[in-house]
Amino acid sequence: GDSVTQMEGPVTLSEEAFLTINCTYTATGYPSLFWYVQYPGEGLQLLLKATKADDKGSNKGFEATYRKETTSFHLEKGSVQVSDSAVYFCALFSNDYKLSFGAGTTVTVRA
Amino acid sequence: ETGVTQTPRHLVMGMTNKKSLKCEQHLGHNAMYWYKQSAKKPLELMFVYNFKEQTENNSVPSRFSPECPNSSHLFLHLHTLQPEDSALYLCASSQGYREAANYEQYFGPGTRLTVT
Repeated sequence: GDSVTQMEGPVTLSEEAFLTINCTYTATGYPSLFWYVQYPGEGLQLLLKATKADDKGSNKGFEATYRKETTSFHLEKGSVQVSDSAVYFCALFSNDYKLSFGAGTTVTVRA
Repeated sequence: ETGVTQTPRHLVMGMTNKKSLKCEQHLGHNAMYWYKQSAKKPLELMFVYNFKEQTENNSVPSRFSPECPNSSHLFLHLHTLQPEDSALYLCASSQGYREAANYEQYFGPGTRLTVT
C-alpha cells in the first residue's frame, strides 16, 4: 500500500542552523503530501501541504517541494529557532482515502 | 472550547477494567478519526466516522469499541486491554472524508493511556 518513509531522528541543531528532514513516498497515482508538526504535549498540526507535482508548500519559514521524479517531499527551514523543537511527520493522502504517516522525526534546537 | 478536545488527558487502567475515551470537536466537521500513536512507530489509523457512520475499521481488535452519537462527539470504549495497548490515542476531525486531501485534519491533544 501507499506509504511514506522519513529520516530517523533525533536531530539536534543549534539556533539559526539549516534544517532538512528527508521524506520519500511510495504510492500509486499522485497522492497529496503533507507535513504535520507535534509540539510537546499537543496534538498534530498541519504545517504545509502540496497536492500535485512541483507544488511547493510553505509556512512559518518551512518549505517542501513535491518531487515526482524522486518521489520526495523533503522539509527545509533556513534558520531554525528554539521554538521549532518538535516532532515532524511526513504524510500522504492515498487513493483509499487514508492519511498515512511516517514514523516522525524529533527535532531539538538548542540556544 | 475551541478545536478538538479530548478527555481524559491521562488514563491508567488495569487489564480487567472498562473505560472510555471522549473526543469532542467544535469545528462543525463531518468526519472524525481515532489514531494510535506508539513510540517510534507511525501513527496508526484505527477508525473513521463520516456523518456518524463508521466508514473505516482498520483491523482493530474488538477490545476497542468506537461510538459516534453525533458528528461532534466520538468515544472509544476500552475493555480487557493488554499492556501493548499503552499508547497515545489521538482524535482528529476534518470537514470532509473522501475529500480529505483538500481538508486539513485537526487533532486533539491525545489521551495518554497506560495499561498495567
